[in-house]
Amino acid sequence: DVQMTQSPSSVSASVGDRVTITCRASQGVSSWLAWYQQKPGKAPKLLIYDVYSLESGVPSRFSGSGSGTDFTLTISSLQPEDFATYYCQQGDTFPSFGPGTKVDIK
Amino acid sequence: EVQLVESGGGLVQPGTSLRLSCAAFGFTFDDYAMNWVRQTPGKGLEWVSGISRNSRSIGYADSVKGRFTISRDNARNSLYLQMNSLRDEDTAFYYCAKDRASSAFRYFDYWGQGALVTVSS
Repeated sequence: DVQMTQSPSSVSASVGDRVTITCRASQGVSSWLAWYQQKPGKAPKLLIYDVYSLESGVPSRFSGSGSGTDFTLTISSLQPEDFATYYCQQGDTFPSFGPGTKVDIK
Repeated sequence: EVQLVESGGGLVQPGTSLRLSCAAFGFTFDDYAMNWVRQTPGKGLEWVSGISRNSRSIGYADSVKGRFTISRDNARNSLYLQMNSLRDEDTAFYYCAKDRASSAFRYFDYWGQGALVTVSS
């Protein structure tokens, strides 16, 4: 099984800040890496897939990068609607998720 | 508009069975793989099971293998999860999730609202 880790587990930020979340896989997952956003009481929403491909309708302030085992989600200028929990997920073998990073208001 | 509607959740005792259903709308159901993903209240996400568009490829998480069975009925645009020998640790919200792929279990681009399964004596 591929284990996914994320750092930090939480981050406090202000509107307009640049936020970076890191995800690491226990083994290489090629480019099969996605990022999701989840708000309280809602299902997760796919933001990015194949490391850097933006899902339709997702603002361009979200971007992804990385390869192999190390990946990054960047929010270039945090907006009020971006306060949420973010999960990475590998799709190379049977899917597995990271533990999540909560982005809250500073 | 894509819509996934789960049903069948509830409170059950350990060792018993439950069947979840997911009705799909707004896309060509038999073009895509489908999945079940669960989330313990306040905790993280766990992929449970997936099934390819033609049911030839099926996968399970180790935590449910041998106890859960996934199936689909393309004529009815429906996905199912038969859960047997339920344990306390199976308590979670269960999401039906559409895959972006047809035959592999890759990414989940649409999710249902979730069905709560509570296993408790």
